[in-house]
Amino acid sequence: DGGITQSPKYLFRKEGQNVTLSCEQNLNHDAMYWYRQDPGQGLRLIYYSQIVNDFQKGDIAEGYSVSREKKESFPLTVTSAQKNPTAFYLCASSPAGSYEQYFGPGTRLTVT
Amino acid sequence: LAKTTQPISMDSYEGQEVNITCSHNNIATNDYITWYQQFPSQGPRFIIQGYKTKVTNEVASLFIPADRKSSTLSLPRVSLSDTAVYYCLVGDFFSGNTGKLIFGQGTTLQVKP
Repeated sequence: DGGITQSPKYLFRKEGQNVTLSCEQNLNHDAMYWYRQDPGQGLRLIYYSQIVNDFQKGDIAEGYSVSREKKESFPLTVTSAQKNPTAFYLCASSPAGSYEQYFGPGTRLTVT
Repeated sequence: LAKTTQPISMDSYEGQEVNITCSHNNIATNDYITWYQQFPSQGPRFIIQGYKTKVTNEVASLFIPADRKSSTLSLPRVSLSDTAVYYCLVGDFFSGNTGKLIFGQGTTLQVKP
């Protein structure tokens, strides 16, 4: 089955620790995105990548880092510099220039 | 990207038609209008996209007036499973833009039996 996967579904970390969220797609999409969603809010863009080995900051990139070494993978690291890391994180992918983004099931991160 | 305004919430009953209107007064010439649906604790799902007039697919219709400053998502004969948050997005996805989607708060649709 083609799709986009995120793991784990739930993640718990202590404050001050870095944590990496996984995102994999087998849709052969060029573009990949990371969003953050807080309760009752819309999604906010963290980072996006249009091609391998290239990525751009979104609206709330501070405290996050990404890599795009392979077309199918776009991991997100939440660093200790992120002041409010507890949130629902969504990864998406799309064909280049497409208006339709395909979202993964999300990872709910709780930092205490 | 153009800012959008939608009602925060709407209620409906099963079997009714639901119309959700989105205002986008600053829409640019190259912008398209896209609607997504999101269920709790899931990623959003694409519903429909259009540029002008009317677009229809198997799940919804999208009505866009000539001035394109607003759009209306129409869901025919809703069921309980249509209870979700609906997002209206406006952007230029075809001119080498970033492909960024800007999600507002969306409209929470509650369908009652």
